[in-house]
Amino acid sequence: GNSVTQMEGPVTLSEEAFLTINCTYTATGYPSLFWYVQYPGEGLQLLLKATKADDKGSNKGFEATYRKETTSFHLEKGSVQVSDSAVYFCALSDSAGGTSYGKLTFGQGTILTVHP
Amino acid sequence: EAGVAQSPRYKIIEKRQSVAFWCNPISGHATLYWYQQILGQGPKLLIQFQNNGVVDDSQLPKDRFSAERLKGVDSTLKIQPAKLEDSAVYLCASSLDPGARSPLHFGNGTRLTVT
Repeated sequence: GNSVTQMEGPVTLSEEAFLTINCTYTATGYPSLFWYVQYPGEGLQLLLKATKADDKGSNKGFEATYRKETTSFHLEKGSVQVSDSAVYFCALSDSAGGTSYGKLTFGQGTILTVHP
Repeated sequence: EAGVAQSPRYKIIEKRQSVAFWCNPISGHATLYWYQQILGQGPKLLIQFQNNGVVDDSQLPKDRFSAERLKGVDSTLKIQPAKLEDSAVYLCASSLDPGARSPLHFGNGTRLTVT
């Protein structure tokens, strides 16, 4: 079955530091890949996505590239801010498409704390 | 647009009691999902509805969990009887059209504590 593995956390950084959160996946076919973010007290929000190999998703300074050869979708940001403190989830959707697109398999989440 | 609404926000019950959660999706969203998020883990899909029909409930523990989506709008998720391991956040999400790869919109969730 499908699975997503995220780097073990939590991650603690100083403001303006470089961020990488590793994500690897196991899936049949060609799933779409996502990063979701959960800010304190809020619901899950889609941060970025990529739907095919070599696609790069980007949003709010965050980037991730769909690497089929390494089955990875690592999240990066060049300079983090205190407001980026949140829990980040890597996820994939069922590759069958159609109504299966919303059936997401999530990683365990990575807690990011950014200090001033 | 208004987001996905869920209630209650928190619920504490004793084991073997029953509990129900309510979800109101974004207007016009045909697809509705219930996910279970246990502390320290990522969300896990329990059930998916398309309008008022069930698309996938393969991960729903049907001996104790039930869900319905009458009239293809609001949905309720029920647990009866609850077990300690049901302590989790229950997330509702909706999507306009998954076939068109519409994104999922999540509610803030209901945090259930079973004592």
